[in-house]
Amino acid sequence: DVKVTQSSRYLVKRTGEKVFLECVQDMDHENMFWYRQDPGLGLRLIYFSYDVKMKEKGDIPEGYSVSREKKERFSLILESASTNQTSMYLCASSSLGLGDGTQYFGPGTRLLVL
Amino acid sequence: GENVEQHPSTLSVQEGDSAVIKCTYSDSASNYFPWYKQELGKRPQLIIDIRSNVGEKKDQRIAVTLNKTAKHFSLHITETQPEDSAVYFCAASFNDMRFGAGTRLTVKP
Repeated sequence: DVKVTQSSRYLVKRTGEKVFLECVQDMDHENMFWYRQDPGLGLRLIYFSYDVKMKEKGDIPEGYSVSREKKERFSLILESASTNQTSMYLCASSSLGLGDGTQYFGPGTRLLVL
Repeated sequence: GENVEQHPSTLSVQEGDSAVIKCTYSDSASNYFPWYKQELGKRPQLIIDIRSNVGEKKDQRIAVTLNKTAKHFSLHITETQPEDSAVYFCAASFNDMRFGAGTRLTVKP
């Protein structure tokens, strides 16, 4: 059974803190993605990775960085959290080509930045 | 890059009626069009997808149509049930996936 897990379901941080969100998949997928979900804006791609140590910017990479040291793990880093980064963060993974395959989503992390 | 527009943003139907959600995309190279359903508090899950070499696909009460010339695709749900109530996202991809803003479907019993 497909499984994508995220390190936290809810997180509260203060402005300026460094925040780590982790995602782990057990399907041996090559591709992993980080999205943020905001009302009325749908799912917006922050970063994606198609291989270990490889990363590509999505639509809204500003204020974020990522790390993929192992195939199964993809981390999203907020170097200095700001209130406009309060959002739901969803991780996903997929196989096949970058855009040609079902994406399996994690349960999401709801981040509140005070 | 790809841009996906989705309409309507909210849709309310009576149980048993049909629901239609429409999406347009901008990149003619897009070749994969999935639809995701997200129930309240849960992760998005794939419900149906279509590839650019197919015009229509059906799975029980759900169907998707694709018009490549016009660059639009639609989700059709027939005989709606209260458990169909959710947010539905369309997406289009070639190199990476872009999602529509979502449609909140409410099915009234």
